[in-house]
Amino acid sequence: GQQVMQIPQYQHVQEGEDFTTYCNSSTTLSNIQWYKQRPGGHPVFLIQLVKSGEVKKQKRLTFQFGEAKKNSSLHITATQTTDVGTYFCAGQGNRDDKIIFGKGTRLHILP
Amino acid sequence: GAVVSQHPSWVICKSGTSVKIECRSLDFQATTMFWYRQFPKQSLMLMATSNEGSKATYEQGVEKDKFLINHASLTLSTLTVTSAHPEDSSFYICSARPLTRTIGGLHYEQYFGPGTRLTVT
Repeated sequence: GQQVMQIPQYQHVQEGEDFTTYCNSSTTLSNIQWYKQRPGGHPVFLIQLVKSGEVKKQKRLTFQFGEAKKNSSLHITATQTTDVGTYFCAGQGNRDDKIIFGKGTRLHILP
Repeated sequence: GAVVSQHPSWVICKSGTSVKIECRSLDFQATTMFWYRQFPKQSLMLMATSNEGSKATYEQGVEKDKFLINHASLTLSTLTVTSAHPEDSSFYICSARPLTRTIGGLHYEQYFGPGTRLTVT
């Protein structure tokens, strides 16, 4: 079945440094979504990527969807303490398929 | 907009009892609701997909007789953990996929509830 792999599992960065998490699917995706979960909170939808090679930005966050629609990345520029949390990618095969979550990357910011 | 609520937010029950968790989409209709389970510091594991008016589809390894799902309306789904045991203690999160395509112009995103922390003693 469809699998979504996400790396790294953990990342510690100094405040101000950049951070990237990568997501790879075993199958071609119709879309990929990114969520952020703060400690003790629930996942919050960040963005959805649909088109091959798509790049979207949200302030310091840059999301990319690979040309083959099997991988994606989230890059945060100049991290801040508010970026702390776990970032999950979630891939969907066909439009009506269930969404499969990656294991998440837990970001910890060192002051 | 796109708010999903869950009730209760936390519950402690004795082993052998049943617990019902409600998931409601407050300001939109949801054709599909999903139930996830999340252990500490782990990812979300999809338990079942709930479609209004039809039987839920359970993921492999999830006992449908233990985790009863009822999707009574386009805004309400319930998960009942029957004969709960300590190993059922977990964080249960529901999500809802909007019926219409007007929320942000996106079709397939999910909106998550705040979760229910179940502790079985």
